Amino acid sequence: DADVTQTPRNRITKTGKRIMLECSQTKGHDRMYWYRQDPGLGLRLIYYSFDVKDINKGEISDGYSVSRQAQAKFSLSLESAIPNQTALYFCATARGGTSGMEFFGPGTRLTVL
Amino acid sequence: KQEVTQIPAALSVPEGENLVLNCSFTDSAIYNLQWFRQDPGKGLTSLLLIQSSQREQTSGRLNASLDKSSGRSTLYIAASQPGDSATYLCAVRREYGNKLVFGAGTILRVKS
Repeated sequence: DADVTQTPRNRITKTGKRIMLECSQTKGHDRMYWYRQDPGLGLRLIYYSFDVKDINKGEISDGYSVSRQAQAKFSLSLESAIPNQTALYFCATARGGTSGMEFFGPGTRLTVL
Repeated sequence: KQEVTQIPAALSVPEGENLVLNCSFTDSAIYNLQWFRQDPGKGLTSLLLIQSSQREQTSGRLNASLDKSSGRSTLYIAASQPGDSATYLCAVRREYGNKLVFGAGTILRVKS
């Protein structure tokens, strides 16, 4: 089984709909991250969490919210999806400590029409 | 604000060739630098992580170097194979946080 899983893998939705992307990990890592990837822009950080009680905004958090339900679960929500949120979304985990290597999930391709 | 640039944006080479991918970053105060591989439709796979105190890391045919003072890193791939075709991403971890800042990537195609 994969260490970091994301559901759904693909989603097409309409403008204004609420969407939740889910991430689960079996690595036992404290730190979890949500990134989005757009062509030519690389990955940009949306939100991150260093433990269950810690949530932090990344560089592009507007229009998104997150929930850390447990150490192993970190969900990303789009309260009212808009077309420019069409992107590839990645969840990642890392062990605590500043030198921790990050491990990524397979990604969720989201299309907002 | 840390910015990461990768050159070239795309590269096509014949099988067996040795090649170098470049990464530069604007703020030399980093904790570490990580190279990833991304295959279409798949997530990122971590290839190498170099701590700020290190000069290079090696894994099989891959060698990554770090020159922190000049804000540069290179990923050297020896004897390239078609299976090496992928997008290669460089990312740096900033000194005052634990977040990765990514470059836009280099798309590599190795022709058989």
